[in-house]
Amino acid sequence: ETGVTQTPRHLVMGMTNKKSLKCEQHLGHNAMYWYKQSAKKPLELMFVYNFKEQTENNSVPSRFSPECPNSSHLFLHLHTLQPEDSALYLCASSPRRTGGSYNEQFFGPGTRLTVL
Amino acid sequence: DAKTTQPPSMDCAEGRAANLPCNHSTISGNEYVYWYRQIHSQGPQYIIHGLKNNETNEMASLIITEDRKSSTLILPHATLRDTAVYYCIVLQWGGNNDMRFGAGTRLTVKP
Repeated sequence: ETGVTQTPRHLVMGMTNKKSLKCEQHLGHNAMYWYKQSAKKPLELMFVYNFKEQTENNSVPSRFSPECPNSSHLFLHLHTLQPEDSALYLCASSPRRTGGSYNEQFFGPGTRLTVL
Repeated sequence: DAKTTQPPSMDCAEGRAANLPCNHSTISGNEYVYWYRQIHSQGPQYIIHGLKNNETNEMASLIITEDRKSSTLILPHATLRDTAVYYCIVLQWGGNNDMRFGAGTRLTVKP
C-alpha cells in the first residue's frame, strides 16, 4: 500500500468510447505523474503536474487528456483510442517536482487498459 | 539519450546476495543515482538513492564508485519475492526534471 490509489484496475473499451482513469494520493504530495507501460517497453512519462499546473507533456496524442483539479487527484480522460494504446497506465506522486531527496515517487497499482 | 546502462537480466540463488550493476559514465556532479524496482504487473517501488557516498537502508545497499561512473545495488539476502525488474536512474538535484526509466535488469531469484 503506497498511498496512491487508481481506479479502475482493469478497463476494456472500444475505440469509440470515452472513459476516464482516476488517481488519488493521500500523501500530501504536490506533484503527480501519468506513465504508460506497453508490453515489453520501458515506462514512458506522459504528463507531469506540479502544484496543479501541467509542466510536462511528452508529445502525447490529444486523445489522452489529463486533468488535475487539486493536488490529491489526477484524471486521464480517454477518447477515440486505438488498439495500440492498450497498456498499463500508472500514476505516481512525489512531494514536489525536483531532483534529489524530494523526488522519490510513489506509484499506484496501475490500470490495465485494453482497447478493442 | 540513455544515461544509464544495465544488463538485461540476471539470476541469483535464494539467500545469496544479488549484485546489480549500473553504468552511468556521463553522470554530472549534481546528479543522484536512484534505484526502483517493479514486480510483475505492479507499480514501481523506490528502493534507495545516493550521490557519492555508499548508502544502506532496510531494503538494500548502494555502492557508488569513487569516480561515480558506476554503481551497484546489493540485495544482501535475496528472496523469491525480490524477483523483479530493477531500474537504475540518474536524476539531477534541484532541477525541474523527471525520471526516465530504461529497460532495467530483470532479476530472477531461484530456489
